[in-house]
Order: sequence, then C-alpha cells, then structure tokens
Amino acid sequence: SYELTQPPSVSVSPGQTARITCSGDALPKQYAYWYQQKPGQAPVLVIYKDSERPSGIPERFSGSSSGTTVTLTISGVQAEDEADYYCQSADSSGTYRVFGTGTKVTVL
Amino acid sequence: EVQLVESGGGLVQPGGSLRLSCAASGFTFSSYDMHWVRQATGKGLEWVSAIGTAGDTYYPGSVKGRFTISRENAKNSLYLQMNSLRAGDTAVYYCAKEDTQGGGMDVWGQGTTVTVSS
Repeated sequence: SYELTQPPSVSVSPGQTARITCSGDALPKQYAYWYQQKPGQAPVLVIYKDSERPSGIPERFSGSSSGTTVTLTISGVQAEDEADYYCQSADSSGTYRVFGTGTKVTVL
Repeated sequence: EVQLVESGGGLVQPGGSLRLSCAASGFTFSSYDMHWVRQATGKGLEWVSAIGTAGDTYYPGSVKGRFTISRENAKNSLYLQMNSLRAGDTAVYYCAKEDTQGGGMDVWGQGTTVTVSS
C-alpha cells in the first residue's frame, strides 16, 4: 500500500524556522495537504494543494513541493505551534487517500 | 457556522457491529464528498472511507468488506456501518468534509470513540 513518510519529530526554538518533510512516490502527480493537530483536538487544515493557505491560517505557515517531497515550513515559530503535523495525499490513481506518519513539533 | 457532529460510538465486543452517524450543518451537504478518518490512541491518522456526491464509495484494504459508508442528503447525514469489528478498530472516528478544491479535508467533527473489547 502507498505510504507517506515524515520525520517523527522536529524541535525548534521560538522565532526560528521549522521545516517538516513528507515523501511519497505519487507526490509529483497528486496534491498534498497539511494538518495541525493539538492534543485532544480534531485536525485543522493549514495548507491545501501543496502551497495554498486557507483563510484564517497565519502567514507563517507555507508549503512547497519538489519531486517526491513536499515541505511544510513554519517561519517565526510560536509556542502555540507546538502540535502534531500530518501530510495527506492520494495514491497515483487519485482514488485512495493516505496520511503521512506524522511529525511532532516541539517548541523549545 | 459549518459544523460536523459525530455520534454512535461506544463499547462493542469483537465480531460485533456499530453504526456511526455524522450530522452536518452550515453548508450544502449534498455538494461535497465526505470522509471518515480514525485515530487510535497515541497513533496517527488513518483514512477509513470516502463517499462522493454521486454515492460512489472508497475504502482502504484494512476495512474493505467490513465497513460501509453511506449518506442521506435529505437529512444532511453521513453514516459508517462497521461490521466484524476487531480490537485494531479501536479509535476515535472523525467525519470530515472534502474541501472545495477537492482532495483535502477542510472541516472536521470532534470525533466519536469506538472501543472494541470483550
């Protein structure tokens, strides 16, 4: 089955930049989406179609794509950004959705 | 306000069945694909099923043949019928609305907990 691979954890100091990668063979063909999930809460969409930001999401969240890897960048990290982050995409047919393994972002 | 509210979770024995419901409000329910996503305690998100506006359905191999997603547009409701439940199906189950662009999920419910145990 298709898999999306993320690093388990990323640590960053306040005000610095956090980058989270997501790798998958079908990413050149399928858009990626990013979700933020805080403990005990439902996920929140923070990036759609690789690099678009939904209304209400701070400008410090951005996304990019290069080949089989997509990246979520959080610029000027704030304490409130500490959370789990998941990428999501589809297999090459576009039929089956898949989530990445998840990355825990810790703000030092 | 766009909102999704799940219900129907609970404790069920292995091999048993359960039906989850998701009540939608604040948007034209019939115009959007819908999804179920689950998360076991301390684990990541797992896509469980999807249904298109025309009623087409999709499942990953882990639940195909055991779970059935359906929708009732007149009632703005989404359902997940779960049969032959296993301990590995224990999780919080979320319903989610697909975004306007198609592909992502822009609205999520608060989740309902399913526990499969004897």
